[in-house]
Amino acid sequence: EPEVTQTPSHQVTQMGQEVILRCVPISNHLYFYWYRQILGQKVEFLVSFYNNEISEKSEIFDDQFSVERPDGSNFTLKIRSTKLEDSAMYFCASSEEGRTEQYFGPGTRLTVT
Amino acid sequence: KQEVTQIPAALSVPEGENLVLNCSFTDSAIYNLQWFRQDPGKGLTSLLLIQSSQREQTSGRLNASLDKSSGRSTLYIAASQPGDSATYLCAYYSGAGSYQLTFGKGTKLSVIP
Repeated sequence: EPEVTQTPSHQVTQMGQEVILRCVPISNHLYFYWYRQILGQKVEFLVSFYNNEISEKSEIFDDQFSVERPDGSNFTLKIRSTKLEDSAMYFCASSEEGRTEQYFGPGTRLTVT
Repeated sequence: KQEVTQIPAALSVPEGENLVLNCSFTDSAIYNLQWFRQDPGKGLTSLLLIQSSQREQTSGRLNASLDKSSGRSTLYIAASQPGDSATYLCAYYSGAGSYQLTFGKGTKLSVIP
């Protein structure tokens, strides 16, 4: 069964460093998303992406964040200068169409020290 | 700000019991609603999607209902098993053309053998 994959599973970085989180969405899906979950808190929406552009973003998704689909299979989230409060589990998701069932990857645990 | 509330926050039941998990939301313009399970330290697994035109959806031992007028959704689990132990999350798309899922904090279910 097709699934969303994410790499790495765990990333440790120092404050101020840039990180890139990678995702491979399900191949025939057209909509891509990033969410994050701080330990013990709700899953929070960051950004949605369709047709090579951002379709929606939350207040969390400020200028330090960017997304890219560099080729036909990968979808990346870049955090330009990490802060301690960026420590969280980051989930990638994809859906076949807009506002339909979203399928989530296993997540990347980001630890900023 | 739209809120999703899941009550109870935690639930412990003996194996074999039928149970109901509740999700309430304040957004009157809710579109589709999706139920997930999350195992500790893992990603989200989609269980059911209820489309805005539907009132319920079934998959195996799971049945989810949606009542937009009262702002409630329920997830019914029949004949619970220890393998059902996980956190169950509900999330919805707002009807205002949004592509983001808004999540509740979840109900942590423990099924005791």
